Amino acid sequence: EAQVTQNPRYLITVTGKKLTVTCSQNMNHEYMSWYRQDPGLGLRQIYYSMNVEVTDKGDVPEGYKVSRKEKRNFPLILESPSPNQTSLYFCASSLSRQSEQYFGPGTRLTVT
Amino acid sequence: GQNIDQPTEMTATEGAIVQINCTYQTSGFNGLFWYQQHAGEAPTFLSYNVLDGLEEKGRFSSFLSRSKGYSYLLLKELQMKDSASYLCAVSQPGKGSYIPTFGRGTSLIVHP
Repeated sequence: EAQVTQNPRYLITVTGKKLTVTCSQNMNHEYMSWYRQDPGLGLRQIYYSMNVEVTDKGDVPEGYKVSRKEKRNFPLILESPSPNQTSLYFCASSLSRQSEQYFGPGTRLTVT
Repeated sequence: GQNIDQPTEMTATEGAIVQINCTYQTSGFNGLFWYQQHAGEAPTFLSYNVLDGLEEKGRFSSFLSRSKGYSYLLLKELQMKDSASYLCAVSQPGKGSYIPTFGRGTSLIVHP
């Protein structure tokens, strides 16, 4: 089954404790991206990747890191999480620029 | 820069027709997507418009006018399951990505 998976689905952590949210797709897609979704603000792009080892900042990259060492995986790293990073995070992938994005199920992160 | 506007909330009656508008002001345009997102779930693809005109897909249709920076999603024969948030997203050249930027979404409530 074609899908995007994210782990964990739910995470409660404390300020400053490094964490990684994994994202994996099995569709051989070139493009992958991370979004955060907050009430009233919609989906905002954090980082995106156009291929292996090619990543760039989206609209709200501060406090996040990403890597794309393999085509299928695109982890999101929070080196020192803060409460303002409490949000719902989505990973997405697409075959090309004009293609629909397939979204993972989301990761609900709470930073206390 | 980019500015994508949608109404925050709309209500409609089961069996009726509803039109959800999206206006955009972006530096360049490559295509416009509509996604549906049920509460607590991931967005799912509905339509993609790159040329002016109406694209029909079952009960859902999407219209685009590039000269006016305007699109709408038309939902016919509304069903209770259509209660969801509808996201307009514009793909534009820039930073080499073309990955879409999302509006804040329109929450549609369908009443019996």
